Amino acid sequence: AQRVTQPEKLLSVFKGAPVELKCNYSYSGSPELFWYVQYSRQRLQLLLRHISRESIKGFTADLNKGETSFHLKKPFAQEEDSAMYYCALSHSGYSTLTFGKGTMLLVSP
Amino acid sequence: EADIYQTPRYLVIGTGKKITLECSQTMGHDKMYWYQQDPGMELHLIHYSYGVNSTEKGDLSSESTVSRIRTEHFPLTLESARPSHTSQYLCASRTGSGNTIYFGEGSWLTVV
Repeated sequence: AQRVTQPEKLLSVFKGAPVELKCNYSYSGSPELFWYVQYSRQRLQLLLRHISRESIKGFTADLNKGETSFHLKKPFAQEEDSAMYYCALSHSGYSTLTFGKGTMLLVSP
Repeated sequence: EADIYQTPRYLVIGTGKKITLECSQTMGHDKMYWYQQDPGMELHLIHYSYGVNSTEKGDLSSESTVSRIRTEHFPLTLESARPSHTSQYLCASRTGSGNTIYFGEGSWLTVV
C-alpha cells in the first residue's frame, strides 16, 4: 500500500530563514509526487509536482528515489508562505491521490 | 467561470437526518472525487468516479453513497447522519489525461 509521511505537524520559522518541509513516501512502483497548499480561508490548491521540476513562489522539491523523499524547500521564507502544506502521491497511470497529514508552516516577522 | 462548486459550505443537522452534499464542476472533467478530512488530519479518499455511471469506493470506508448521472455533478448522500459523520468533505476533479486535481472549497458537516 502506498503511504505518505510528513513527520512535522508544525514548522515555525522567522521571515528570511530557509524552510524545508519533509515528505517521505512508501511505494513500490513509479510514483508521481505533488505538493498541495492551503492558505487561510482558501481551498486546497496544487503548488508543484515533481514531473514539472519547476519553482513556484520560490519553492522547489526534488524527488529522491533512493531516500523515497520529496522535501519542499525555500531559501528565504516570507510571511505569506504561512499555510498548510500537504504532500501527495499518485501511482503513475492511476488518478487517485494519497495525502500526508500535512505540515502547518508559520512564518513570523 | 470554470470552477468546482460545493454546497452547502456549512451544515448543522440532527442525528438521523438524510443529507446530500452537492458538487458541480464546469471544467468538463471526467474524474471526480470525494475526500473526507477531520480537523488537523489527513485527507482520506472516500469515493471517486471516472465518468458517468462510474463510481468506486475509496481508501476509507464510508457510509455515504455517491452518484454520477451527469458529468458535471457528483453528489454525496448520507441516508441517516450520525455525529461520527461530522467532518469536512472535499470534492475534487481532474481531466482524463491531466494529473492536476482541482478542489472545491469544502463542505463542513456537523451532526448533533
